[in-house]
Amino acid sequence: NAGVTQTPKFQVLKTGQSMTLQCAQDMNHEYMSWYRQDPGMGLRLIHYSVGAGITDQGEVPNGYNVSRSTTEDFPLRLLSAAPSQTSVYFCASSYVRTGNYGYTFGSGTRLTVV
Amino acid sequence: DAKTTQPNSMESNEEEPVHLPCNHSTISGTDYIHWYRQLPSQGPEYVIHGLTSNVNNRMASLAIAEDRKSSTLILHRATLRDAAVYYCILRDPYGGATNKLIFGTGTLLAVQP
Repeated sequence: NAGVTQTPKFQVLKTGQSMTLQCAQDMNHEYMSWYRQDPGMGLRLIHYSVGAGITDQGEVPNGYNVSRSTTEDFPLRLLSAAPSQTSVYFCASSYVRTGNYGYTFGSGTRLTVV
Repeated sequence: DAKTTQPNSMESNEEEPVHLPCNHSTISGTDYIHWYRQLPSQGPEYVIHGLTSNVNNRMASLAIAEDRKSSTLILHRATLRDAAVYYCILRDPYGGATNKLIFGTGTLLAVQP
């Protein structure tokens, strides 16, 4: 049981480059989400999904795209990277319709945009 | 989204109990109270959650006020490995869009040997 798997763990991009951060979970969770965490700050929600084919914006969605074609995968795309997107990115998943479970987080992707 | 208020930092001595407070005066009837912690250089980790009654698990206990406007996370015997940022978050699992977790700044717990 792998839980939530994020790849890559580290990435350096040049300004204007594009990339996709991968997130996969094997717990059959309906709910998946992406957060970013800047130094010394809490996590801010970028995008989330309550099931395959359904996505919505969080607190800081600008500059990021998501899609959810399967229950297991929820990739985060940066179309044109900017230095302001330098951050640590966390993916999380959970069951939707019950309060009896917490979120499971991945170990993060540390992204630097130069 | 209902907000929570936590102290910025707290200190504890190793092997002593720690009580981490959280105020959530605007909590709604369907909001669950969740606690997560984040160890240095790691992703957040689920600790415990509850709705109305006090809850215990292998990691901690959660004491919820009768009016649900505040709660306290209790670590019974702090260890050096408990040094982390602790987040108190409200989550409505039946609210669709409000199912999401919104993090505040949390409480940085320092544990002294």
